[in-house]
Amino acid sequence: KAGVTQTPRYLIKTRGQQVTLSCSPISGHRSVSWYQQTPGQGLQFLFEYFSETQRNKGNFPGRFSGRQFSNSRSEMNVSTLELGDSALYLCASSLTELSFGSGTRLTVV
Amino acid sequence: DQQVKQNSPSLSVQEGRISILNCDYTNSMFDYFLWYKKYPAEGPTFLISISSIKDKNEDGRFTVFLNKSAKHLSLHIVPSQPGDSAVYFCAATPNSNSGYALNFGKGTSLLVTP
Repeated sequence: KAGVTQTPRYLIKTRGQQVTLSCSPISGHRSVSWYQQTPGQGLQFLFEYFSETQRNKGNFPGRFSGRQFSNSRSEMNVSTLELGDSALYLCASSLTELSFGSGTRLTVV
Repeated sequence: DQQVKQNSPSLSVQEGRISILNCDYTNSMFDYFLWYKKYPAEGPTFLISISSIKDKNEDGRFTVFLNKSAKHLSLHIVPSQPGDSAVYFCAATPNSNSGYALNFGKGTSLLVTP
């Protein structure tokens, strides 16, 4: 069974730009969550989607948004990028426990 | 504010000995707790979990203990193996049936030496 797939693996963007990250969950998983990992803050919850609806939301500014499609694939978007948005962004899907992808490493310069 | 705390950033243990990783939480609404293991360049992988109705859960070499009154949980690895060297994250959530919004600790880097 294929795991959670995130694309791209690495990304470099300039301050002020926007970025879209993609996540394909494990087949049959309807819940998709996004987390941000930074050295200083650890893993922080961004949001969770279930059946195309946002079910939970973390404490991040409105520049961070996401969506889920009917095939459960999800995207997250960050607008007006700041240097502090540089992080590893992890997507996870679940039936019971979370299964994580390998992440997208975003660097904002 | 950090609601899940792992106060030891790193731990070094000899192969064959016991590794004990600790985790404290502040939110009394948390009732489901998980441990994840992370290797470099990979996403975290689920290790073991425990519900607040239990005080111990065991899976092979891994045992998680929960002390609700102290708001403390620990992960025991016996015996430790070099392949266990990784970063271990403790996580907690208020309700396992209301979706996933895990609160993670900052992780403990475990090194198991031969």
